[in-house]
Amino acid sequence: SQKIEQNSEALNIQEGKTATLTCNYTNYSPAYLQWYRQDPGRGPVFLLLIRENEKEKRKERLKVTFDTTLKQSLFHITASQPADSATYLCVPQGSGTYKYIFGTGTRLKVLA
Amino acid sequence: SAVISQKPSRDICQRGTSLTIQCQVDSQVTMMFWYRQQPGQSLTLIATANQGSEATYESGFVIDKFPISRPNLTFSTLTVSNMSPEDSSIYLCSVQEQGESPLHFGNGTRLTVT
Repeated sequence: SQKIEQNSEALNIQEGKTATLTCNYTNYSPAYLQWYRQDPGRGPVFLLLIRENEKEKRKERLKVTFDTTLKQSLFHITASQPADSATYLCVPQGSGTYKYIFGTGTRLKVLA
Repeated sequence: SAVISQKPSRDICQRGTSLTIQCQVDSQVTMMFWYRQQPGQSLTLIATANQGSEATYESGFVIDKFPISRPNLTFSTLTVSNMSPEDSSIYLCSVQEQGESPLHFGNGTRLTVT
């Protein structure tokens, strides 16, 4: 069955450093992959989408990579800030399907 | 992007009762979904709410327990029936404006069953 794994333990980093979150998937070949941010008591909010033919995507301080050979996506936040503290969810998505299967999520805490 | 209002935001319910959660979108959308997020867990898709027809349920979820209505392209309800403490969770409505576009979520309904 399809499986998505993210760092199960919380990630604590110092303000100003780069946070790197990992998403690994098995048993399917997504056409694209999305990253969402979720704050406590809120629904997830879309951040970035990267397609299978794109190696890297950037948006302000965010960068996502997508390696279809390794079946892995990396999500980077550069110059991290305490306001970046949240849970980050990855969603590999097959083409032509509406079903979004969310990863387990990684809780990031940026320490001031 | 679509703005989603979900009501109630939270509720505490007695075992054996039912709760209906409402999801209102400020624009017409094709796809509406209901998710559950149990404490400390990620999101699990319950069903796709289809306008004018029966919802499509995922494995492990049945219509008798989670009846869904979708009378038009901007509104849907999810009922959690005959509740037990195991139903304590956050229930989230989400929409997709077009194929392969991101999901937009409401802020969820935090349900506690005592």
